[in-house]
Amino acid sequence: DSGVTQTPKHLITATGQRVTLRCSPRSGDLSVYWYQQSLDQGLQFLIQYYNGEERAKGNILERFSAQQFPDLHSELNLSSLELGDSALYFCASDVTGTGSEQYFGPGTRLTVT
Amino acid sequence: DQQVKQNSPSLSVQEGRISILNCDYTNSMFDYFLWYKKYPAEGPTFLISISSIKDKNEDGRFTVFLNKSAKHLSLHIVPSQPGDSAVYFCAARADSSYKLIFGSGTRLLVRP
Repeated sequence: DSGVTQTPKHLITATGQRVTLRCSPRSGDLSVYWYQQSLDQGLQFLIQYYNGEERAKGNILERFSAQQFPDLHSELNLSSLELGDSALYFCASDVTGTGSEQYFGPGTRLTVT
Repeated sequence: DQQVKQNSPSLSVQEGRISILNCDYTNSMFDYFLWYKKYPAEGPTFLISISSIKDKNEDGRFTVFLNKSAKHLSLHIVPSQPGDSAVYFCAARADSSYKLIFGSGTRLLVRP
């Protein structure tokens, strides 16, 4: 158990819909990272927050947005969903926010039908 | 443009033998490299890392080697155990960035 929690575990929704994925980092970790893993691919970095502020951005679509709240939990919002958005979404956290030795949650599997 | 490549999608080794997983990268600005292990239905778990100022780092049965001139790193597992069967991802970070760039993974099967 990494100490990072993600909800829900599974999500099935239709094209055009909007969903919110939630992540709680390990106790004491200030930084949260979001990744997308599609169909046995590597993890694609989406976005990073550190202590409530956006710190780094990857290949995140404009239909996707995220935020980190004062209690340090984070939410990833995916809107106007397309079939290609079906993937595993992982959240990770670390203390320093420097990108090393991140601790990953179990992921949310999103299926868009 | 894949900056981190794991060209072997799968590897099968006998229990007790050495497993060698390889990773190549293209960005010379990468200064920190990590290996993660992933079991089905779980998130990746950090395994071992190496800074670009070193060429080797060891932790128990796991050793990572870095060849900067060849832009190549490898993970050695000795001896391999059936519980090591998982997908292994290498990842790299540039000092100027906080994000990790992951390879596509190598599925390791350790046969009893």
